[in-house]
Amino acid sequence: KQEVTQIPAALSVPEGENLVLNCSFTDSAIYNLQWFRQDPGKGLTSLLLIQSSQREQTSGRLNASLDKSSGRSTLYIAASQPGDSATYLCAVTLITQGGSEKLVFGKGTKLTVNP
Amino acid sequence: GAGVSQSPSNKVTEKGKDVELRCDPISGHTALYWYRQSLGQGLEFLIYFQGNSAPDKSGLPSDRFSAERTGGSVSTLTIQRTQQEDSAVYLCASRVAGGPYNEQFFGPGTRLTVL
Repeated sequence: KQEVTQIPAALSVPEGENLVLNCSFTDSAIYNLQWFRQDPGKGLTSLLLIQSSQREQTSGRLNASLDKSSGRSTLYIAASQPGDSATYLCAVTLITQGGSEKLVFGKGTKLTVNP
Repeated sequence: GAGVSQSPSNKVTEKGKDVELRCDPISGHTALYWYRQSLGQGLEFLIYFQGNSAPDKSGLPSDRFSAERTGGSVSTLTIQRTQQEDSAVYLCASRVAGGPYNEQFFGPGTRLTVL
């Protein structure tokens, strides 16, 4: 059974700091890995999607890496801002028992960036 | 619309009542998913629809849960005889055709509270 773990569960940093969020998964048979952002009481916003054949993706101040063989991904946020405060979720796409596909999520890292 | 929409945004019901949650996917998206986000449990897959194929119901927690997708577009998730443990945020997602390599886009969710 695929399990996704995110460390740390919560992180508080001062504004301007660079930071890394970690995600690990137990089964390397994934199609891709997605990083999401969730604001309180809101849905999920997709940040980055890395296919299983890729090593990293970048968007603005965000960079996500994927090492499928070791079952690890990191999300790097440069020059953090208070507006980055949110819960960050990592999810992998894999095949279900019914032959379709689904996302399996970690429980998230709650990030607080202090002004 | 531009994104996935869900209604209602909030639903409070009494234990034992039936509820219906609605999802309108992004126009043209052939795949539709339902997930549940419970306090302390994280996000879990419930059901997957792809075009006219039989849905993958492998994530539904009990036979009180069912879902339909009419005309390949709008989907309704029905929970019969609701229990307090059904309280959660129910999220819907959709993606374009082309398989699991494409990202899923999420709606804002329906927060269900069972008293």
